[in-house]
Amino acid sequence: DAGVIQSPRHEVTEMGQEVTLRCKPISGHNSLFWYRQTMMRGLELLIYFNNNVPIDDSGMPEDRFSAKMPNASFSTLKIQPSEPRDSAVYFCASSPQAGGQGASGYTFGSGTRLTVV
Amino acid sequence: DAKTTQPPSMDCAEGRAANLPCNHSTISGNEYVYWYRQIHSQGPQYIIHGLKNNETNEMASLIITEDRKSSTLILPHATLRDTAVYYCIVRVVRTGNQFYFGTGTSLTVIP
Repeated sequence: DAGVIQSPRHEVTEMGQEVTLRCKPISGHNSLFWYRQTMMRGLELLIYFNNNVPIDDSGMPEDRFSAKMPNASFSTLKIQPSEPRDSAVYFCASSPQAGGQGASGYTFGSGTRLTVV
Repeated sequence: DAKTTQPPSMDCAEGRAANLPCNHSTISGNEYVYWYRQIHSQGPQYIIHGLKNNETNEMASLIITEDRKSSTLILPHATLRDTAVYYCIVRVVRTGNQFYFGTGTSLTVIP
């Protein structure tokens, strides 16, 4: 099992540009989560999907952020337009059951480090 | 979910047991205690979880007090690779109830 795969690992972009982060969850996992981590705010839950359907997006900071999960093996988090304050590490996690009831809870990817200049 | 309180940082000598405390005095009867850790530049990693009884796995032991208001994560023989931020989370395991991470304890294992 390759685990949760995120791409790219690092992204540097100019303010105003569109940024797309990608995530491939573990095969068979039904739930997918996007987190953002900064020094100031720690780990924040942005949105989560259950069976490809967005369940709770209350953590998405503003309309510039959007997330999709077109199928069970792929999700994207898009920022348009990007701003310097969006600079953070973005993590994707997946879980075999909704709510993370599985014994291991969530499995996290290695993250995408986004820098907006 | 119940709020947790952890010391911001701790040191431990390599080879010794690391005991990381967590207070969750408002925990309710159906809330589990979960521990995750995050090694620098990596995603958080599940360690262990429990409800009432003490638990042990290949990574650590979890000791939950009888009144469930506090718990201790024990790394029996800390190594340098255990240097990480350790998060204690209490939550009800149900659909729609997600993991919310606090600030955790930064553990430094000293050679």
